Amino acid sequence: DADVTQTPRNRITKTGKRIMLECSQTKGHDRMYWYRQDPGLGLRLIYYSFDVKDINKGEISDGYSVSRQAQAKFSLSLESAIPNQTALYFCATSARERNSPLHFGNGTRLTVT
Amino acid sequence: QKEVEQNSGPLSVPEGAIASLNCTYSDRGSQSFFWYRQYSGKSPELIMSIYSNGDKEDGRFTAQLNKASQYVSLLIRDSQPSDSATYLCAVKLGYSTLTFGKGTMLLVSP
Repeated sequence: DADVTQTPRNRITKTGKRIMLECSQTKGHDRMYWYRQDPGLGLRLIYYSFDVKDINKGEISDGYSVSRQAQAKFSLSLESAIPNQTALYFCATSARERNSPLHFGNGTRLTVT
Repeated sequence: QKEVEQNSGPLSVPEGAIASLNCTYSDRGSQSFFWYRQYSGKSPELIMSIYSNGDKEDGRFTAQLNKASQYVSLLIRDSQPSDSATYLCAVKLGYSTLTFGKGTMLLVSP
């Protein structure tokens, strides 16, 4: 079983729809992150959470919201999806230690038509 | 603004050769450095981390860090076609979030 699980793996939705991407982890990490990846633009941070009561905006948070339901769960919502939110979305976790790397989920490919 | 720069490539090498991937970063206070490998459509996979100046070897991979020059590199010895992927450099300042470069595509031809 994957340590960081994202659901769904693929999603096609229409412009204006609300959609939620979910992430759960069994690594026991405090920190969780949501990234999107677009060709030529690399990985860009949307939101991150250093513990259950902590939520922080990343570099591209507009149009997105998040919820940290528990230490192991971090969901990303698109309130009203638009076509330029079509991308590959990754959830990631890390331990709280200073040198800790990120561990990624398998990704969600989202298409907004 | 923290920046991490990588040549987008593709870097083409023949099987068995050494592939050299380079990365520069702008924040002189950066303390942790990571290399991730990403196959097309898949998630990034951590392959190396380095925190001190010098070289760190792990199998066919060697990471090199020069903080004075703000430069980190990844060498892949005896390159295999299965090494063909995009390699992401990531840099971390203290307890902050990681900043990623846009990646270098590596193509290893048989």
